[in-house]
Parts: sequence; structure tokens; C-alpha cells
Amino acid sequence: DTGVSQDPRHKITKRGQNVTFRCDPISEHNRLYWYRQTLGQGPEFLTYFQNEAQLEKSRLLSDRFSAERPKGSFSTLEIQRTEQGDSAMYLCASSSPTRQGHYEQYFGPGTRLTVT
Amino acid sequence: AQKVTQAQTEISVVEKEDVTLDCVYETRDTTYYLFWYKQPPSGELVFLIRRNSFDEQNEISGRYSWNFQKSTSSFNFTITASQVVDSAVYFCALSEPYNTDKLIFGTGTRLQVFP
Repeated sequence: DTGVSQDPRHKITKRGQNVTFRCDPISEHNRLYWYRQTLGQGPEFLTYFQNEAQLEKSRLLSDRFSAERPKGSFSTLEIQRTEQGDSAMYLCASSSPTRQGHYEQYFGPGTRLTVT
Repeated sequence: AQKVTQAQTEISVVEKEDVTLDCVYETRDTTYYLFWYKQPPSGELVFLIRRNSFDEQNEISGRYSWNFQKSTSSFNFTITASQVVDSAVYFCALSEPYNTDKLIFGTGTRLQVFP
């Protein structure tokens, strides 16, 4: 296993269109996280899954955003009716507990979204 | 509320200089973890170190060293004898293991190392 993968790496879309991103975590990692990173800022937490259950959603995740992890493996993040303010890098991370019980997150390369 | 502050937006040095990146954090929890990540131009976040709140020992890994001081809520990162390949954005982050483990990042420090 080579790490967390994300598809596509880049997406350009017109305002109002829907987009969907995919994240494939490291095999057997039971936690999966989505973050958003805008230019010049650090990543901000959006949501996370433990297996297929979505356990927390940030208030940043408006009603236009939805995330799923149907079989506890890959995850999708969909943005409906995109707005220019959605332009950002969307990062996925996965984790499983270390021997000390802490979850260490490994990040994918990100999907860069540009809304025109 | 949890917060991470990286006051240095950008630092430029010449190769072989030592450089320290500052990180100050805020949390109400007594149990937490601190991290440093590197983000090269390719965009992928690369994990550098994790430190738990009960371990204030400083750590050295090659040219990298970290100074954790609970008294000042700081977790600073020093690169000794910097190299051009160290050029990247460096993020400090905080997580609370009993609160989803989500990471709270600072705004990052862009390090440019010139030959």
C-alpha cells in the first residue's frame, strides 16, 4: 500500500456545478478525515468517519457539502452548487491507532478545486 | 478553545544557516498532542513529529530539533544547517486525543532557503 490517494488531483468547474472527490485511505485504517485548505492558511477540519459512521462535522460544512464512506473504505466528498468561495485544496487523511492508542494521520496529495 | 499560532509568516535564510520556527498553542485540556508537518510545493503534508503533553523532553532527529515548553505553551522547531530542500511551508498542529483526534493547524510558516 502506497499511502492515501485522492482523485482527481485538480478540478476546474463553473460556479453552480456539482463536483465529487474521492479519497482512498491506507488499507485497514478505520478513521478517515477531510480537511480544506485555502491559500495562505492551514488546513481546517471538515468531517471525519470511523469506519462507515460519520461522527463529526465542522460548522464549515454547509448544507451544500456531503461526505460518505459507504463501506468503511473509500470516501467521497460532494459539493453541490459550487461557489467561488469553495475554491481550495481538499485534503484527505486516514489513521488507525498507534500502540499508544493515539491516531496518527497520514495525508493524501489533495484535490485542488478551482471554481470559475 | 483550541488554537495554534505561528506568528512568522515567511522566513528567508541562506543555506547552512540555522533557523527556528515558532509555534504557540492554546488548549484547556491537560492531555493533548502537538505536531509539525512539512508541506513542500507538491502540496502533500509530510509528518515530521508528534509530541504528547506529558513528554517535555526535547527531541533531535538529524538536522531537526524540537523544543517543547509547557510553561510558555510553545513547541518550536529548529533546522540546523538549512538546505535548499528544506524550502517548504511548515505547519504546527494540535490535537486532543479524547476529542476525535482532529488536527487544529496554525497558519504555517513559509521557509525559503537560498543557495
